[in-house]
Amino acid sequence: SQQGEEDPQALSIQEGENATMNCSYKTSINNLQWYRQNSGRGLVHLILIRSNEREKHSGRLRVTLDTSKKSSSLLITASRAADTASYFCATRPAGANNLFFGTGTRLTVIP
Amino acid sequence: DVKVTQSSRYLVKRTGEKVFLECVQDMDHENMFWYRQDPGLGLRLIYFSYDVKMKEKGDIPEGYSVSREKKERFSLILESASTNQTSMYLCASSLRREGSRDTQYFGPGTRLTVL
Repeated sequence: SQQGEEDPQALSIQEGENATMNCSYKTSINNLQWYRQNSGRGLVHLILIRSNEREKHSGRLRVTLDTSKKSSSLLITASRAADTASYFCATRPAGANNLFFGTGTRLTVIP
Repeated sequence: DVKVTQSSRYLVKRTGEKVFLECVQDMDHENMFWYRQDPGLGLRLIYFSYDVKMKEKGDIPEGYSVSREKKERFSLILESASTNQTSMYLCASSLRREGSRDTQYFGPGTRLTVL
C-alpha cells in the first residue's frame, strides 16, 4: 500500500502539553499533507509540505519532513481541549494522481 | 471559504435499493473525489473526476458508479446497495493536482446504513 501510516494510533495528553504525531510512507512523494477530523465530520486541511521542504509552521503547528527516512511529524504545541480530534497524513506519491491517506492518530486533550 | 456540501448527513437504505449520494462544491474546483471511511481502514478512494463528464476509478470502485454532468456536482451511485457498503462517505474537491493547490476540501460526510 502507498498509504501513510500514523503513529501512535491514539494519544492522550493534558491540556498545555505538546502533542507529536508521526507519519511514515513507502514511496517518493511530491507533497505530504496533514488533515484533522472532528468526530463524525469531514476532514479539514491543516498544512502541506512539499518534498523539497524540511519544516513548516502554521500557528501552533509544526510539521517536519525527512524524505530520506520517508517520514513526517506533526507537532501541536500548547494543546487545548479543542484540539481533540483525529489527525491524518496524506501523501501524493510522485507520478500518482491522488492523495493516499493513513488511518489516523486519535488525539485526546484532557482539560 | 470553499464550501462542499453533501445531500444527507444520515441515510438508511435497504439491501438492493439504488442509492444516490450528491456532492456540490461552490469554488469552481476542477477535481472532485468520493471516499469511504471505515474504522481501522482510513479513507479509501472510490472514484474521482478531473473534469466534467470525466471519471476515473480509485482503489475500491466495485459496486459504485459516479456521474459528473456539471462542474460543481459529483454524484456517487450505489446501483444495488449491500450491507458491506454501510460506511461514512466523504466527498472532497480540489483546485489542481500540483503544489499548494493540491489541498482537498471535504464535505461533512454522509453516514450510510444499509439494512
